[in-house]
Amino acid sequence: GAGVSQSPRYKVAKRGQDVALRCDPISGHVSLFWYQQALGQGPEFLTYFQNEAQLDKSGLPSDRFFAERPEGSVSTLKIQRTQQEDSAVYLCASSLNSNSNQPQHFGDGTRLSIL
Amino acid sequence: GESVGLHLPTLSVQEGDNSIINCAYSNSASDYFIWYKQESGKGPQFIIDIRSNMDKRQGQRVTVLLNKTVKHLSLQIAATQPGDSAVYFCAENADQTGANNLFFGTGTRLTVIP
Repeated sequence: GAGVSQSPRYKVAKRGQDVALRCDPISGHVSLFWYQQALGQGPEFLTYFQNEAQLDKSGLPSDRFFAERPEGSVSTLKIQRTQQEDSAVYLCASSLNSNSNQPQHFGDGTRLSIL
Repeated sequence: GESVGLHLPTLSVQEGDNSIINCAYSNSASDYFIWYKQESGKGPQFIIDIRSNMDKRQGQRVTVLLNKTVKHLSLQIAATQPGDSAVYFCAENADQTGANNLFFGTGTRLTVIP
């Protein structure tokens, strides 16, 4: 597609449930990033993929968070046993190659609400 | 760790005036900076970027200035329009750490008064 696509746009789950968030990056983009954005804050880095390799997961807040990109294109962020503090907007971004001096292009995010 | 912050959390300007949004960063190793615009319910939209070997870069109606001496970044929007109303974020990348991720500030909300 023309831009980064994320689904679902909104997700409501009960505390303790597992959720899966999907990201379709811009076609051909090598690098893929996940960020978490709390209300009124800037996005915070979660994890980074170069093709199918997860090169950095230092931002994942706990072992309940897991991300994958098995074929180097679509990525899924999974959160197990969700907690209320997981409520946030989850943003996916992609960039053309692995160079750090490349703009990252963002999707519109998934707004996750944990009840 | 790296820190990116903004001097002004809110900014109101009259339509047609110029806007200046400021940003301070603390990591002198940062070598790449981006300004993003985020409208309600949308993801951050790329506006303009600048590398550390430059001190000014111009786009369409926007100019980014980088002062490495005082670690300050600014975004200038000429002839501000109602469609410019949004939250603006500066972000930095410090490649020396080996990380490709961006560090974002809290953001400045720009409101354009018609």
